[in-house]
Amino acid sequence: SQTIHQWPATLVQPVGSPLSLECTVEGTSNPNLYWYRQAAGRGLQLLFYSVGIGQISSEVPQNLSASRPQDRQFILSSKKLLLSDSGFYLCAWRRPDMEYNEQFFGPGTRLTVL
Amino acid sequence: GQNIDQPTEMTATEGAIVQINCTYQTSGFNGLFWYQQHAGEAPTFLSYNVLDGLEEKGRFSSFLSRSKGYSYLLLKELQMKDSASYLCAVMDSNYQLIWGAGTKLIIKP
Repeated sequence: SQTIHQWPATLVQPVGSPLSLECTVEGTSNPNLYWYRQAAGRGLQLLFYSVGIGQISSEVPQNLSASRPQDRQFILSSKKLLLSDSGFYLCAWRRPDMEYNEQFFGPGTRLTVL
Repeated sequence: GQNIDQPTEMTATEGAIVQINCTYQTSGFNGLFWYQQHAGEAPTFLSYNVLDGLEEKGRFSSFLSRSKGYSYLLLKELQMKDSASYLCAVMDSNYQLIWGAGTKLIIKP
């Protein structure tokens, strides 16, 4: 069976500090991978998605970046965090062979920028 | 622009039935998803509709009308554990999901 991991679960960082969130998927090959952010009481905002190693599509211009160094690893980074970067960050994966497959979510990272 | 509308909050009684509506305007349509999200947790998949009509899965059913840009999630025999947010998401012409803000469902004994 497939599982998706994210860490850390919670993070408190000062403004201007760097960020690195990691997501890994087990039990599948060549998944489509997604990074979302969810602000309190809001819907999910797609930040980045990837259909393969080294391939990243950015949906929203901002001070975040993403990388996919391995097939089942997806990393979200920032060089300098802003207060507005606070939120619940979710990684998701989907089987690429069918467009209509649902996305499966990791447990999420709750980031607070102070 | 693309838009998904859902009520912000609904309240229902344990054992009753509740219907959560979702209306959408998107660039293309490749299906509509419903997810459940408990507070502080990740969303979990509930249902998928791409053709008009009703899809039933146990206590949960989801309906779609593409011509009206409308869907609803029907929850029967409500249990306290059904207290959660319910997210409606539409897959657009690029096969990306556009998400509603979610409906917080409060179940009272």
